[in-house]
Amino acid sequence: LAKTTQPISMDSYEGQEVNITCSHNNIATNDYITWYQQFPSQGPRFIIQGYKTKVTNEVASLFIPADRKSSTLSLPRVSLSDTAVYYCLVGDIWTSGTYKYIFGTGTRLKVLA
Amino acid sequence: NAGVMQNPRHLVRRRGQEARLRCSPMKGHSHVYWYRQLPEEGLKFMVYLQKENIIDESGMPKERFSAEFPKEGPSILRIQQVVRGDSAAYFCASSPGDRENQPQHFGDGTRLSIL
Repeated sequence: LAKTTQPISMDSYEGQEVNITCSHNNIATNDYITWYQQFPSQGPRFIIQGYKTKVTNEVASLFIPADRKSSTLSLPRVSLSDTAVYYCLVGDIWTSGTYKYIFGTGTRLKVLA
Repeated sequence: NAGVMQNPRHLVRRRGQEARLRCSPMKGHSHVYWYRQLPEEGLKFMVYLQKENIIDESGMPKERFSAEFPKEGPSILRIQQVVRGDSAAYFCASSPGDRENQPQHFGDGTRLSIL
C-alpha cells in the first residue's frame, strides 16, 4: 500500500481556488486515488476518486499526471465552511484482497474571511 | 455522513469495564471497516469484516479487542477491561464490496472516554 505525503496545513481566503497536492511515489498499477474531507467531531466524507488524468464532480476536481506519482485536489471558490482536514489515500481492493485505508495526518485547510 | 449509523455517539466507561460500539452499514453494503482516531492524528485501520467473517484484523490489538458482523444486526466492536489509552474516536465505514474500487463511507464515530 502506497504511502502518501501532503502539506500539513494551508491557508486560503474565501472565493479563492485551493489546490492540495499529494505525493504517492510508490503507487501501484491498480491503485486508485481517493480524497476525503473531515470536519471536527465527524467522520471522513468522500470527496472524489480517480485513476488517471482528470476527474470532476460537483464539489471538486482531481488532477493526476501521467506518471501517477502525485495528484492534486482542486477546490474552486472555497468558503469558510470548507475549513477542514483533507486526506489523500491510495489503495486497491482487488490486488491486496482488502481495502485497508492508510490515513496520514492530512492537510488542515483554513479558509479566512 | 448519512447512511452509516454508529451508536452511541459518546460513551463513558470506567477502567476495567467493557465498551460495546455498534455500527449499522449503509443499505446494500456488506463490508464493514473499523478505524481508531486519536486527537490530531489520522485514522488507523483496525479490522475489516464481511457478514459473519473477519477478513483482516491486522490493526486490532491482540488482547481485549474483538469485532463481529453477524448475519443479522449491526457490527459490534467490543473492548474488554478498558484502560485510559483506549480513549479515542472509533469510526466505522462500509462499502458495497462487490464492485471494483468503491470508496468507503464513514459514520460520525463513537467517542470513547475512559475515566
